[in-house]
Amino acid sequence: GAGVSQSPRYKVAKRGQDVALRCDPISGHVSLFWYQQALGQGPEFLTYFQNEAQLDKSGLPSDRFFAERPEGSVSTLKIQRTQQEDSAVYLCASSSRLAGVIQETQYFGPGTRLLVL
Amino acid sequence: QKEVEQNSGPLSVPEGAIASLNCTYSDRGSQSFFWYRQYSGKSPELIMSIYSNGDKEDGRFTAQLNKASQYVSLLIRDSQPSDSATYLCAVNKIRDDKIIFGKGTRLHILP
Repeated sequence: GAGVSQSPRYKVAKRGQDVALRCDPISGHVSLFWYQQALGQGPEFLTYFQNEAQLDKSGLPSDRFFAERPEGSVSTLKIQRTQQEDSAVYLCASSSRLAGVIQETQYFGPGTRLLVL
Repeated sequence: QKEVEQNSGPLSVPEGAIASLNCTYSDRGSQSFFWYRQYSGKSPELIMSIYSNGDKEDGRFTAQLNKASQYVSLLIRDSQPSDSATYLCAVNKIRDDKIIFGKGTRLHILP
């Protein structure tokens, strides 16, 4: 079956530009996660949705970062007024996990590589 | 102190030998532990999960968990060149949905 897909795969933005990154989770997966991975680092948690509810956004680095999942499937991560330090790979993952159930496998998408010039 | 610590490597191991990867975590409330493999330019792929103290084996991979020492390890037997990758240790806390990753250990299997 189809895995997690992300688009675009690569994005080059000028500093100050707004960008929108899309994630299509595995069909039926209720949980969706966004991570930021800088070069040579592990993925850093950004935010988490269960269906359409954003349950945790503690990892978003600033108020320039905003995520939504209005219908509980596709999610968009928006970065306003991009800065050079936003350059990273943005990974999306989904799982069938329900709250209160032991952690289920998170399946990662291929990521969006963002370069801010 | 980082929540999940790993030696960044690179760790070089001869082909056919055992590769041993280690990870420590700071939060005693952690309940689930994962090892992900990440090839260069690719996304992480789960290879092992472990939830209770002791060893868990899956093919050439063995995960070991010691909650008292807050220590997780991954052993790869009969190492192959295709095992060359970055291995990410990750933990999840009770009633917390997010996974915390370490920086990863780069493993290089020498042919």
